[in-house]
Order: sequence, then structure tokens, then C-alpha cells
Amino acid sequence: AQSVTQLDSHVSVSEGTPVLLRCNYSSSYSPSLFWYVQHPNKGLQLLLKYTSAATLVKGINGFEAEFKKSETSFHLTKPSAHMSDAAEYFCVVSEPNKIIFGKGTRLHILP
Amino acid sequence: NAGVMQNPRHLVRRRGQEARLRCSPVKGHSHVYWYRQLPEEGLKFMVYLQKENIIDESGMPKERFSAEFPKEGPSILRIQQVVRGDSAAYFCASSPPVMYNTEAFFGQGTRLTVV
Repeated sequence: AQSVTQLDSHVSVSEGTPVLLRCNYSSSYSPSLFWYVQHPNKGLQLLLKYTSAATLVKGINGFEAEFKKSETSFHLTKPSAHMSDAAEYFCVVSEPNKIIFGKGTRLHILP
Repeated sequence: NAGVMQNPRHLVRRRGQEARLRCSPVKGHSHVYWYRQLPEEGLKFMVYLQKENIIDESGMPKERFSAEFPKEGPSILRIQQVVRGDSAAYFCASSPPVMYNTEAFFGQGTRLTVV
């Protein structure tokens, strides 16, 4: 069965330090993968997407993610965290006729 | 080019009342998804609709919940006889006809509070 696993429900990093949000997936198809961000009391915004082109995908606000088929992973990274990055992040798999969400990782930025 | 529009943004209902949540997809999108987000939880799939058809309702509660996407007008998620446990944020997403290798566009959500 297809699934998305976000390995950490909460991640805390200090401002200016790197961010790593982990995501593993299983899919019967060659999936499309996405990361969305949700700021408090806001809707969802697309950060980046992988659709079988380059395996390293660059997104908005300095985020990027690398698709690793052998590890079935699509981890989200950012070299230097900013206070405005504090939000909830969702890893998403897109298959024909369905979008599957991970449970989310809440990112906390420490001053 | 407007995005997905959901209304109302906030809805308060007393227990036993009906809640109607509306979703107008991006112009030209014929596929609509509804998701529910309970407090402190992630997004859970509820139902996937195309115009006039329910394609997948495997995430819908068996009772009190229904959804439609008529030929004209917005998609409606209807909750009858609401209970406190229905309090959540409900998000709608739309996509073009080929739901693969395309992202879904999300609305801002409707926050339902049952008192």
C-alpha cells in the first residue's frame, strides 16, 4: 500500500543552522513528490516538487530536496534556518487519482 | 487568475446543526479533493470528486458527511448534525484533469468550530 512517513513530528533548530526534515515513501508507481508548508492558521503553500526530472530539486525560500530512489526518500533541507521558517511541513506523494499526505513535521526555530 | 476559494473561512455551529462548506476550484480544474485537519494532526484525505461524480470517498465518515461537485457551481462538503469532534480545519484542493505529475492547489481552509 502506498504511504508517506515523516520520521519526526517535531524538529527544533537554532536560527542560522541547517534544517533537515525527513520523508520516506512507498508507492506502486513512479511517484511525483512534493513538499508543502503550512504557516499557523494559513493554507498550504507548495515549496517544491519532484516529477522525474533532476533528482535534486530547488524550491522557494532556500529549501531543496533530493529524491533518492534506492532509499525511497525525499528529505527536505535548508542550509540556514530563519525565524520565518517556523511552520508545519508536509511531504506528499502524488499518484493517479490520489494525493497522499504525511502526518507533518512541525519545525521550531530557536533564537 | 483566482486560486481555490473556500468559504466561509470560519464557521461556528451548535451541536446538531448542519455545516456547509464551499469550495470553488481554480478555473479550468475539474478535480476536487477534500481534506480534514484535526487539531495537532496532519491532513487526512476525505473524498475525491470530479464534476458530478464521486471517484473515491474512502476517507469519508460513513454517516452525516456528504460531498458533491455539481456541473455548475462550487463543490460542497455537508456535515449533518454536527458534533464536537467535527471541529477541525477542512481544506479543499483542485487539480487539472490529469492528476499525476501535477500539484494540487489548496484553498485557505474553513475552520469549523462546534460549540
